Amino acid sequence: EDQVTQSPEALRLQEGESSSLNCSYTVSGLRGLFWYRQDPGKGPEFLFTLYSAGEEKEKERLKATLTKKESFLHITAPKPEDSATYLCAVQGYNFNKFYFGSGTKLNVKP
Amino acid sequence: ETGVTQSPTHLIKTRGQQVTLRCSSQSGHNTVSWYQQALGQGPQFIFQYYREEENGRGNFPPRFSGLQFPNYSSELNVNALELDDSALYLCASSLDRGHSGNTIYFGEGSWLTVV
Repeated sequence: EDQVTQSPEALRLQEGESSSLNCSYTVSGLRGLFWYRQDPGKGPEFLFTLYSAGEEKEKERLKATLTKKESFLHITAPKPEDSATYLCAVQGYNFNKFYFGSGTKLNVKP
Repeated sequence: ETGVTQSPTHLIKTRGQQVTLRCSSQSGHNTVSWYQQALGQGPQFIFQYYREEENGRGNFPPRFSGLQFPNYSSELNVNALELDDSALYLCASSLDRGHSGNTIYFGEGSWLTVV
């Protein structure tokens, strides 16, 4: 069965301290891997879509990369406003369904 | 701003009651999916509607049902509410059932508390 595992569950960083979030996945034919940001009490906000191994996408302090088994969300010199839960989702051959991980809760201290 | 709007934003129901949640899709999107997100968990797929027909369902019992209207807006209905139904219900719209990894855009959700 398609599955997504995110690690760590929670991450506390000092402002400016770079780090990476991991998303490991098992899917029957990857159509897309998605990263979302979710603030407390809000719906997920779209960040990136990655389609094939080796692909990279960047947006401000965030960079997402993809291999055949996992994706990383790299955060460079984070700021307190980057604090949120980051969700990873995959879409397989059963394209009408997105499988989400449980998320990584990021807290960036000033 | 995704253009996906949901109502109501918060509601409290009693166990055994029924609830209807509503969603208006992003303009031009013909596919709506509903997700349940329990506290501290990722969203779980409930079902998807494409051009007014159910187009896939997750592991949820039949008391979770839905509708999609000709203007592509949608409803989620839950009968015989249980305490474990307390969650954030998310509506997501996309184009053409999400083919080729089309991005799905979420609304802000409806918080349901069952007491």
